[in-house]
Amino acid sequence: GIQVEQSPPDLILQEGANSTLRCNFSDSVNNLQWFHQNPWGQLINLFYIPSGTKQNGRLSATTVATERYSLLYISSSQTTDSGVYFCAVESYNTDKLIFGTGTRLQVFP
Amino acid sequence: NAGVMQNPRHLVRRRGQEARLRCSPMKGHSHVYWYRQLPEEGLKFMVYLQKENIIDESGMPKERFSAEFPKEGPSILRIQQVVRGDSAAYFCASSPPGASGLVNNEQFFGPGTRLTVL
Repeated sequence: GIQVEQSPPDLILQEGANSTLRCNFSDSVNNLQWFHQNPWGQLINLFYIPSGTKQNGRLSATTVATERYSLLYISSSQTTDSGVYFCAVESYNTDKLIFGTGTRLQVFP
Repeated sequence: NAGVMQNPRHLVRRRGQEARLRCSPMKGHSHVYWYRQLPEEGLKFMVYLQKENIIDESGMPKERFSAEFPKEGPSILRIQQVVRGDSAAYFCASSPPGASGLVNNEQFFGPGTRLTVL
């Protein structure tokens, strides 16, 4: 099956710093989503981005489908950005999301 | 505009008891997915259902676990004779009808049910 790898596994930042999270996947995908799991365990949709670039406030994401990777950019990080960021992909002819192992982000004041 | 609803949010069971987890999809959504998250791990797919049909149950354990999505009412994930290894967060997601292949098939997740088996 398709493999999803995220890097880095852990990231520690000071408030105001910028960061880039990466998601590599091993096959063509029909769907790619980025999620933020906050410290209370809630899973929040960030982007639905099987290809192209999207921006939402301080967050933006780019997926280069032909090269099988996606990037999540966080600018001017805040303590509320802390949590785990997951990338999840869906192969063609399936309907299930395969999740990466996540990037754990800690932002300190 | 309610999102995906799950209840209960927390469930405690003793070994050998049954656990029933409920999921109501977003309004207008007819596709439901269940995922399990073990402590310190990512989410793993369990089952995909449409109304009255199980479409893909490739991630479901062979024994003790079952799921349904009846014509009326919420989707139910049922775990019989729970064991300590079933302790996990169980998430439900939904997507709109016709969501497969090349159309927008974004999945939206509920808050999860945290099951603890004593």
